[in-house]
Amino acid sequence: DAKTTQPNSMESNEEEPVHLPCNHSTISGTDYIHWYRQLPSQGPEYVIHGLTSNVNNRMASLAIAEDRKSSTLILHRATLRDAAVYYCILSDSWGKFQFGAGTQVVVTP
Amino acid sequence: GAVVSQHPSWVICKSGTSVKIECRSLDFQATTMFWYRQFPKQSLMLMATSNEGSKATYEQGVEKDKFLINHASLTLSTLTVTSAHPEDSSFYICSATGNAIYEQYFGPGTRLTVT
Repeated sequence: DAKTTQPNSMESNEEEPVHLPCNHSTISGTDYIHWYRQLPSQGPEYVIHGLTSNVNNRMASLAIAEDRKSSTLILHRATLRDAAVYYCILSDSWGKFQFGAGTQVVVTP
Repeated sequence: GAVVSQHPSWVICKSGTSVKIECRSLDFQATTMFWYRQFPKQSLMLMATSNEGSKATYEQGVEKDKFLINHASLTLSTLTVTSAHPEDSSFYICSATGNAIYEQYFGPGTRLTVT
């Protein structure tokens, strides 16, 4: 199974951008890249997903490397509500998710 | 957006008893549902995949006789923890996919405490 590697934690000031890296060097051609975030004692919340091209939505942007072996989630202006654990996930052709360890994002006012 | 609910949100049971957790897709038909377990300060671990009307597929190391999964309809899957023990205490989370298998919608989770 393809795996993801993320930094344990990242800190950002409020209103500043946050760039969350993820390495997935064993990704296969049909694996999607997903980002979810989770608050304590809650289920994961969808952030964004992509396959090959960069993606933007109202929450974030996803930049995917040309060789697809890494990606970066970009939160354009961090708010206190963005403090959470962010998971970079690969899904296989059956739709199964393999969660990595996640990155704890801390936002300071 | 698609909504997935879980019931109960938390449960406390005595060692040796069984506990059933329900997962429902409220506004869409879920072709596939997944069950995860999460221990404190750890990531989610996939336990099993269930498709409506079929037997669940369990991940390696997950005891299928202990964690019974039933997916009787396109909107309901249940996880029964049989003969629960304190080490089964965990946060159980389900997710569901609709027509697009690469999109998973997660439930709010169920906190199980076995005393």
